[in-house]
Amino acid sequence: GENVEQHPSTLSVQEGDSAVIKCTYSDSASNYFPWYKQELGKGPQLIIDIRSNVGEKKDQRIAVTLNKTAKHFSLHITETQPEDSAVYFCAATRTSGTYKYIFGTGTRLKVLA
Amino acid sequence: DTEVTQTPKHLVMGMTNKKSLKCEQHMGHRAMYWYKQKAKKPPELMFVYSYEKLSINESVPSRFSPECPNSSLLNLHLHALQPEDSALYLCASSQVVHSYEQYFGPGTRLTVT
Repeated sequence: GENVEQHPSTLSVQEGDSAVIKCTYSDSASNYFPWYKQELGKGPQLIIDIRSNVGEKKDQRIAVTLNKTAKHFSLHITETQPEDSAVYFCAATRTSGTYKYIFGTGTRLKVLA
Repeated sequence: DTEVTQTPKHLVMGMTNKKSLKCEQHMGHRAMYWYKQKAKKPPELMFVYSYEKLSINESVPSRFSPECPNSSLLNLHLHALQPEDSALYLCASSQVVHSYEQYFGPGTRLTVT
């Protein structure tokens, strides 16, 4: 079945450094790729997303890139801050057919002050 | 406003109890979802409602019974649960099932004793 691999599972960076999290999906028909941030004790929060007709999207310190040929997409966080510490989940879905989100396994990001 | 609310925040119940989880959104979304999330894992889809009708049941045991009384409300009725059902239960909504973004609520932390 479809799956999404996410790496790394944990990531520690110094405050101010950049963080990159990578996901690889298997379903070539996937056309929407959201990223969620989940803080301890809270629900996942949609922080950025990308559709298959776009290669890159930026929102302030956060960017997502998509390589459809390689079936890779990545989350880039620049100038990290302690409040960026959380678990990040990527997901892939197709907006037709079963339309289920296939989630990655999550990355625990720690930003060290 | 992309807010999904859930009550209660925490719930402790015995294996013979009957309880209900509630979810509400006022974004005019016509698709609503229940997910189950175990510690350090991504959310797992349980049920999908589309226009107040059950669209997907991911082979969830009958001790979980969903209900969608109207387009803003989603309930999950619980009966005769097992300790392994202890988890964070998340509600989400999207404009329609084939739309892109899903917005999650904060979750209900359920403990079955």
